[in-house]
Amino acid sequence: EPEVTQTPSHQVTQMGQEVILRCVPISNHLYFYWYRQILGQKVEFLVSFYNNEISEKSEIFDDQFSVERPDGSNFTLKIRSTKLEDSAMYFCASSEAGGGADTQYFGPGTRLTVL
Amino acid sequence: AQSVTQPDIHITVSEGASLELRCNYSYGATPYLFWYVQSPGQGLQLLLKYFSGDTLVQGIKGFEAEFKRSQSSFNLRKPSVHWSDAAEYFCAVKPGSARQLTFGSGTQLTVLP
Repeated sequence: EPEVTQTPSHQVTQMGQEVILRCVPISNHLYFYWYRQILGQKVEFLVSFYNNEISEKSEIFDDQFSVERPDGSNFTLKIRSTKLEDSAMYFCASSEAGGGADTQYFGPGTRLTVL
Repeated sequence: AQSVTQPDIHITVSEGASLELRCNYSYGATPYLFWYVQSPGQGLQLLLKYFSGDTLVQGIKGFEAEFKRSQSSFNLRKPSVHWSDAAEYFCAVKPGSARQLTFGSGTQLTVLP
């Protein structure tokens, strides 16, 4: 069964450093998403991406965040200058279409620890 | 804006007992409704979803959920819990026009032998 994969599973970085989290969505999916879950809190939407551009983003997704589909298979989330409060589990998801009835399939997550 | 409430932070049941996890949503119209499960070290796995039609939906692993419009609820049920069901369960909603899922805070399920 096809699945979303994410690398690395755990990333430790120093405050102020840039990090790139990588995701390989399911191959025939067209919509891609990033969510995050701070320890003990809800899973929160960050951004959705379609046709090489952002289609929706939340208030959390400020100028320090960016997303990119650098090739036909990868989808990345970059945090330019990490802060302590960016420590969280980051989930990538993908879906075939973007409509309300479509199902988002999630990857296993990358745990980001900012020291 | 839509919101999701899962009133139970933690539920403990004995193996073989029945289970009901509560979920209430707030939204002007009927949203699309989902239940996801997260096992330790794993991602979010879809258990089931409701879009329209029959208000009782069947999912994987023997789970079912019932949509009750009058109560704005979408409770998850399982008649007999297995030890492997121990995990965290998330209810999520998505308005028809949006792409983002809004999640509840989750219910942690512990299963006693």
